[in-house]
Amino acid sequence: GQQVMQIPQYQHVQEGEDFTTYCNSSTTLSNIQWYKQRPGGHPVFLIQLVKSGEVKKQKRLTFQFGEAKKNSSLHITATQTTDVGTYFCAGYSNAGKSTFGDGTTLTVKP
Amino acid sequence: DSGVTQTPKHLITATGQRVTLRCSPRSGDLSVYWYQQSLDQGLQFLIQYYNGEERAKGNILERFSAQQFPDLHSELNLSSLELGDSALYFCASSVGTGELSYGYTFGSGTRLTVV
Repeated sequence: GQQVMQIPQYQHVQEGEDFTTYCNSSTTLSNIQWYKQRPGGHPVFLIQLVKSGEVKKQKRLTFQFGEAKKNSSLHITATQTTDVGTYFCAGYSNAGKSTFGDGTTLTVKP
Repeated sequence: DSGVTQTPKHLITATGQRVTLRCSPRSGDLSVYWYQQSLDQGLQFLIQYYNGEERAKGNILERFSAQQFPDLHSELNLSSLELGDSALYFCASSVGTGELSYGYTFGSGTRLTVV
């Protein structure tokens, strides 16, 4: 079945450093979504990418969808303590099935 | 408030018991999804309903069942509970289904503790 791998599992950074999480699918995706879950909270939808090679930005966050539509990344520039949490990708296969990655947990040291 | 309401927020019960978790989707959303999240784990997809019908099934145990009612709220029934069933159970909703879901809205979850 479809597998979505996310790396790294954990990332510890100093405030102001950049952060990137990567998402890789075993199958071609029709779209990919990114979510953020704050500690003790619930996942919150951030963005959806649909087109091959698509790049979207939200302030300090940059989302990319690979040309082959099998991988994606989320990059945060100059992390802040408010960025702490777990970032999940969720990939939709052409069969209409969505699979969440296991998430990358980001901690930021002030 | 995300617009997705889950009740109860916390539930403590004994092994072997049966519980029902309830979810009201965001207004206008037709799809409801159930996820299980164990401590420091990812989101395990259990089941999806769309407009009252089961649409997709994940790794849902036979001891678990769900349904979506005509008013679109959904219930997840967990029976013969085991210690390993202790987890956070999230409900999420979306307008469409499949590729047309465009992002899920999650509820705050029900934390189930089996003792």
